[in-house]
Amino acid sequence: DTEVTQTPKHLVMGMTNKKSLKCEQHMGHRAMYWYKQKAKKPPELMFVYSYEKLSINESVPSRFSPECPNSSLLNLHLHALQPEDSALYLCASSQEGDRLPETQYFGPGTRLLVL
Amino acid sequence: AQTVTQSQPEMSVQEAETVTLSCTYDTSESDYYLFWYKQPPSRQMILVIRQEAYKQQNATENRFSVNFQKAAKSFSLKISDSQLGDAAMYFCAYGAGSYQLTFGKGTKLSVIP
Repeated sequence: DTEVTQTPKHLVMGMTNKKSLKCEQHMGHRAMYWYKQKAKKPPELMFVYSYEKLSINESVPSRFSPECPNSSLLNLHLHALQPEDSALYLCASSQEGDRLPETQYFGPGTRLLVL
Repeated sequence: AQTVTQSQPEMSVQEAETVTLSCTYDTSESDYYLFWYKQPPSRQMILVIRQEAYKQQNATENRFSVNFQKAAKSFSLKISDSQLGDAAMYFCAYGAGSYQLTFGKGTKLSVIP
């Protein structure tokens, strides 16, 4: 089963709202990722968790707060977002191996609109 | 710094025909991986094919194959017998020794019935 699921599929929020994006995988992968993708652009890496610990934070503003409650789940908490944060947010997961990068498997994404 | 260049922003192919998408990259590493991902309008990034740089044999997956030229730093994707479902944005990506992938800007492929 090479499936990564994400909820919700679509999200509209105001700049004062607090919301969360969720990602789940059951492939036994120990690395999980958050990407941001603007229209007609490639994905941009935001965060990487390895064995449930934050491994990479690509200088993402603090209004984005990741959380990895366990090896299967990854959350992205959103607070006080700006309209320019509107984008497709993709989650991915991969095995942890001796040779990086391992193949990343992506979820279907959450389309976020900030008003 | 590693860079990945996809020089064809858009391409089109007749159904059942063959099309080749180009990708070049720049790196000083000798051991790395290259990927082609497909992103249809449904938005999900789907792995098409993966190539390890230390393998001389070109990777193939059914109708998808690559032409990997390590010396030329070229990694093109050939799609044979194109189908309507192949219409998507295709991203070439490079990775070496870390979690980060460097993506090209993408090629939008249209399939004409």
